[in-house]
Amino acid sequence: EVQLVESGGGLVQPGRSLRLSCATSGFNFAGYAISWVRQAPGKGLECVGFIRSKAFGGTPEYAASVQGRFTISRDDSKSIAYLQMNSLKSQDTAVYYCNRVKWLADPTGLDYWGQGTLVTVAS
Amino acid sequence: DIQMTQSPSSLSASVGDRVTITCRASQGISNLLAWYQQKPGKAPKLLIYRTSTLESGVPSRFSGSGSGTDYTLTISSLLPEDFATYYCQHFYTYPFTFGPGTKVDI
Repeated sequence: EVQLVESGGGLVQPGRSLRLSCATSGFNFAGYAISWVRQAPGKGLECVGFIRSKAFGGTPEYAASVQGRFTISRDDSKSIAYLQMNSLKSQDTAVYYCNRVKWLADPTGLDYWGQGTLVTVAS
Repeated sequence: DIQMTQSPSSLSASVGDRVTITCRASQGISNLLAWYQQKPGKAPKLLIYRTSTLESGVPSRFSGSGSGTDYTLTISSLLPEDFATYYCQHFYTYPFTFGPGTKVDI
């Protein structure tokens, strides 16, 4: 069974940092891109970024709203992806989901999602 | 960035109704469009990818179509468990932006 479990969320002050983890099981983690999507309270879905599998360079992409502040990484030996969030702002308050990217020559969908972890940025 | 719009933003329907939701991209996205269903307090669920391919396990009452900039999600006969918010998302170039969502309620 494919599972993705986020952890590391919580209350953090503006300007501080937080690292989220996405622990996975049930599939060949190394063979998949992993994405992060967030959802502010009562709002829609927003792509944060994703990281390609090593076979496609292992490189990340980021939304403009987090570029330069957030970093996505992966540890294929542990089947875990990370989202390092620096210089947090109140606008970053959201539930953060990690997802597996369905890849058919190109990314085509987010086929498995974690349960989400809430990040609240407030003083 | 490619902007995605959805219409309507919400709709009221009854069990058994045929429901159609439209998604429009600000430029052509070569059928690289997915649809998701989200229920309150839950993570979204992938329904359709590449415009019209049903994800495994998704009931056949869901279907997708479209091309270029305009895409639709159709639920042929609404069931009680289909009341939810539906989002489209393109995969043409990063960022893979989502539409703002369409809430389907009673």
